[in-house]
Amino acid sequence: AQSVTQLGSHVSVSEGALVLLRCNYSSSVPPYLFWYVQYPNQGLQLLLKYTTGATLVKGINGFEAEFKKSETSFHLTKPSAHMSDAAEYFCAVSNSGGSNYKLTFGKGTLLTVNP
Amino acid sequence: NAGVMQNPRHLVRRRGQEARLRCSPMKGHSHVYWYRQLPEEGLKFMVYLQKENIIDESGMPKERFSAEFPKEGPSILRIQQVVRGDSAAYFCASSPQDGNSNQPQHFGDGTRLSIL
Repeated sequence: AQSVTQLGSHVSVSEGALVLLRCNYSSSVPPYLFWYVQYPNQGLQLLLKYTTGATLVKGINGFEAEFKKSETSFHLTKPSAHMSDAAEYFCAVSNSGGSNYKLTFGKGTLLTVNP
Repeated sequence: NAGVMQNPRHLVRRRGQEARLRCSPMKGHSHVYWYRQLPEEGLKFMVYLQKENIIDESGMPKERFSAEFPKEGPSILRIQQVVRGDSAAYFCASSPQDGNSNQPQHFGDGTRLSIL
């Protein structure tokens, strides 16, 4: 069984400040890891994903995440927050074997950006 | 619009009625997934379908819920005899041929179901 824990249901930063959204996972097999962003009343948009290879993954809108197997973490960062980054962010995991289509999501972190 | 299309965007039903949610996958995608998002929760997997086949329905409630993806037309998630606890946002996603996570799922904007 897999699970995802997102520490902090609400994160608030100032415009221009570092964004750090935390995600820890548990998986009995090597995981595939994802970050999605959801704007109000919209669906989820893929920010980035890790499957294999380089553990530092770069995504859209200046976001990146690092897969750390020893810490079972996949934290999302952005050096400088922009007002348009305000949204809810979901970390998700699937396994790399069978049933790898089945995404397990965390509860989400709402990011607010203050001017 | 070449994205995943869901309709209606909002659906209101009274207890005991039926709800039908529709999803048209992205062009060229033949795999469809349904997820449910309860308030202040992440999305929970419900069912995975290919054309005319249910591949995995392990996340579907055993009663009142059904899904189909016919040869022609959109995928349908059907909820019979709705109850207040069915109020949620229902999201559809699609992916290309093999449902592999190397081919990420693309999500629609969801249907917000409210039960009076």
